[in-house]
Amino acid sequence: DAGVIQSPRHEVTEMGQEVTLRCKPISGHNSLFWYRQTMMRGLELLIYFNNNVPIDDSGMPEDRFSAKMPNASFSTLKIQPSEPRDSAVYFCASSISGASGETQYFGPGTRLLVL
Amino acid sequence: KNEVEQSPQNLTAQEGEFITINCSYSVGISALHWLQQHPGGGIVSLFMLSSGKKKHGRLIATINIQEKHSSLHITASHPRDSAVYICAVIRGAQKLVFGQGTRLTINP
Repeated sequence: DAGVIQSPRHEVTEMGQEVTLRCKPISGHNSLFWYRQTMMRGLELLIYFNNNVPIDDSGMPEDRFSAKMPNASFSTLKIQPSEPRDSAVYFCASSISGASGETQYFGPGTRLLVL
Repeated sequence: KNEVEQSPQNLTAQEGEFITINCSYSVGISALHWLQQHPGGGIVSLFMLSSGKKKHGRLIATINIQEKHSSLHITASHPRDSAVYICAVIRGAQKLVFGQGTRLTINP
C-alpha cells in the first residue's frame, strides 16, 4: 500500500489567497484526521471524520478553515482567505476505527507558507 | 497547564546509552500513543498501549494508568534513533491530544 498520500507537499501563497490541501487515506481505513503542527503549539487535531462524517471539528481555528470528505478515498482541507499565521505543516492521518483507538498512519505532510 | 507533559524537552546522549523519555497526563484516557518524528518531518506511530508494557526491538513502552504516567525506553541507543518523540493520549474514541515532544540526539 502507498500509505497516506497528501498533496501538495509544499505550498507557498500570498495572504488572502485560497489554499486547498488534499489527502487520500489508506484503502480500507474509515477514519481520517487533519492535524496542524507549528513550532509554538506543536501538533493539534483540527478535525476528524469517521465513515466520511465529521465527528469532532472543535480544533478548527475559525470560519476560514473548512474540511470535507466527499467519499472514503479523498478529503480536503481548505483555508480561505489564508493568513500568515496559518503557516504550518498540515498532516493527514488515517486509521481503522475501533474500540479505544487504533494506530494512526500519518501522511508526509504539506508544508504551507503564507506570505 | 498542558494536558500532556513530556520530559525532558531535549536529550543528548552518547551511542549505547539507555534512554528514558517520560510522559505525564492529567485527564482520563482510553489509550496512549508514542510517535516518532524523523528529522525529515515524517511521523510514525511506535506504540499504542492502554496498560502494562510493550516491546519492539530496542524500544520499550510502559504505562501506569493509576499514576497517569508513561515512559518510552530505548536500549543500546544509536545515532539513527535521533528524532523527536511525541506522546499522545486518546480522549474519547479517537481524539489525540499531543505532548510537546522530546528532541533526542544520539552522538556517535
